Amino acid sequence: GESVGLHLPTLSVQEGDNSIINCAYSNSASDYFIWYKQESGKGPQFIIDIRSNMDKRQGQRVTVLLNKTVKHLSLQIAATQPGDSAVYFCAENKNQGGKLIFGQGTELSVKP
Amino acid sequence: ETGVTQSPTHLIKTRGQQVTLRCSSQSGHNTVSWYQQALGQGPQFIFQYYREEENGRGNFPPRFSGLQFPNYSSELNVNALELDDSALYLCASSLEQVGEQYFGPGTRLTVT
Repeated sequence: GESVGLHLPTLSVQEGDNSIINCAYSNSASDYFIWYKQESGKGPQFIIDIRSNMDKRQGQRVTVLLNKTVKHLSLQIAATQPGDSAVYFCAENKNQGGKLIFGQGTELSVKP
Repeated sequence: ETGVTQSPTHLIKTRGQQVTLRCSSQSGHNTVSWYQQALGQGPQFIFQYYREEENGRGNFPPRFSGLQFPNYSSELNVNALELDDSALYLCASSLEQVGEQYFGPGTRLTVT
């Protein structure tokens, strides 16, 4: 079936440390993955995306890794800051009319 | 801010009633997707509208319907409201059907 799941519902890190948020997907035909950040009271905000023909993509302080062998996706945040505290979702887009399939989310808490 | 706006921000309805939620897409975007986000869950795809036509639908009953207008703004209508319809309703606009989706802040619907 179709599903995108997350390994951990919560993650607590110290300010300045690196954060790693993981995600598993079940459909090997998926071709596009996106990470979103959702702060309380707001809609999801695009962070970074990656296509299935890539293994790694870097943005500002963030890196997404895709391991198609084990169908695993991760988001790495460098030098985590208090402003990074939010719920992070991975989402899958199979180009089916733009339908995004979201996982349950991981709540990241950054301790000062 | 993404430039996607939604109204109203909050709404309380009684079971059995009908509700209309509105979304204004980002300037230049011709596609609007609607999602339902229950508390503590990831968004679930309801349907997408592309150039005023429904273009893909998720696993939601027919009492969930929508419209897209010539200016690409959109409405989500829900008839015969049920308690389980209580959720945050998000709309996202994109340049095309499979483009990057920009989310609005959502409408919080409570059904009592």
